[in-house]
Amino acid sequence: ETGVTQTPRHLVMGMTNKKSLKCEQHLGHNAMYWYKQSAKKPLELMFVYNFKEQTENNSVPSRFSPECPNSSHLFLHLHTLQPEDSALYLCASSQNDRDPYEQYFGPGTRLTVT
Amino acid sequence: DAKTTQPTSMDCAEGRAANLPCNHSTISGNEYVYWYRQIHSQGPQYIIHGLKNNETNEMASLIITEDRKSSTLILPHATLRDTAVYYCIVRLPMDSSYKLIFGSGTRLLVRP
Repeated sequence: ETGVTQTPRHLVMGMTNKKSLKCEQHLGHNAMYWYKQSAKKPLELMFVYNFKEQTENNSVPSRFSPECPNSSHLFLHLHTLQPEDSALYLCASSQNDRDPYEQYFGPGTRLTVT
Repeated sequence: DAKTTQPTSMDCAEGRAANLPCNHSTISGNEYVYWYRQIHSQGPQYIIHGLKNNETNEMASLIITEDRKSSTLILPHATLRDTAVYYCIVRLPMDSSYKLIFGSGTRLLVRP
């Protein structure tokens, strides 16, 4: 238990669906992250939020839309996804006024796009 | 940003020490070495980090060579639950955003 929770753990959606992934951290951190992990590929950073402000968008397609209403919650809104978007989506957080590289990861959402 | 090189896979016997090497020959003076691991179907887990001195915590020890061009993560008594992919990461400069760049890592298999 890392203090970072993600829901749902598994999601199957069609290409025309709209769904959202949720992440919540109970660590009092101020920075939150979305990563994508495709099969047999390294983790890819998608978005970074610091004090609710987006500080990094790693050239992610607009069909992925993040939202950070407060420092404890992070969402990833999904619409018109492609089958190649099927992957493990991981959320992480860190205490930005200390070492930001000690990140705590959630268990991930396994997404399948049909 | 310094890049890292790790063996693709390693194995060790349960109860023995697992020594995972990492080369980072282009590391700069203000860059730290971080280790994470990822157990199958879980998110990555922070293990340890260091700058130039050797470090030890409840999970592992980190040995950094004097020239800082390589390091070794040591799991002193490996268990079956230590089977995972281990990532060696060199931290980006402080004026970059807070991001970790994960490479391919070393797949460690702990044998019974």
